[in-house]
Amino acid sequence: QVQLQESGPGLVKPSETLSLTCTVSGGSMNAYYWSWIRQPPGKGLEWIGNIYSSGSTNYNPSLKSEVTMSIDMSKTQFSLQLSSVTAADTAIYYCARRNGDGYKSNWFDPWGQGTLVTVSS
Amino acid sequence: DIQMTQSPSSLSASVGDRVTITCRASQTISSYLNWYQQKSGKAPKLLIYAASSLQSGVPSRFSGTGSGTDFTLTISSLQPEDFATYYCQQSSSTLWTFGQGTKVQVK
Repeated sequence: QVQLQESGPGLVKPSETLSLTCTVSGGSMNAYYWSWIRQPPGKGLEWIGNIYSSGSTNYNPSLKSEVTMSIDMSKTQFSLQLSSVTAADTAIYYCARRNGDGYKSNWFDPWGQGTLVTVSS
Repeated sequence: DIQMTQSPSSLSASVGDRVTITCRASQTISSYLNWYQQKSGKAPKLLIYAASSLQSGVPSRFSGTGSGTDFTLTISSLQPEDFATYYCQQSSSTLWTFGQGTKVQVK
């Protein structure tokens, strides 16, 4: 079965760029959308964006100017970059596979275990 | 943005209880509604998709109903492993949003 694993620095300085990678194993990345979701400590979930296996993306409008996603099918990885971070970006970052009909019926499954990123000087 | 409001925010229940959690959308979302369970320190896990479809491997004591703006997640007989936080999520709009969560605690 498909498994996802996030990796990247656990500490990022304010105004710098947060960079995370999600490695996919146990299945093909082809013809799927791949997503990033975050959760500030003790709070709810926020969808960040998706990237398709072709490289097309769509982002949460509230984060669009700071977010960049990329995909490397040869390494079975996709990545998130979030620029100009502040303390408000401190969160557990999850990667997940988007499933559904590709139109409006969409859900996230499976998820990675998550990685905590703290923004602090 | 479509706002998702869950009620209650928390509840206390005992093993064997029937538990109902409600999720209301700020505008109609048809059946584009999913439910997740999150245990402490773990990633969310998909329970129900498209309002009422049970994800493979999820116990049948979990069920989902609703369409339009009002949705319900029901646990027919609460088990010890069900104490967790539950989230709804809509995918009707291009900005996918989650409810704030409902924490199911031991009574």
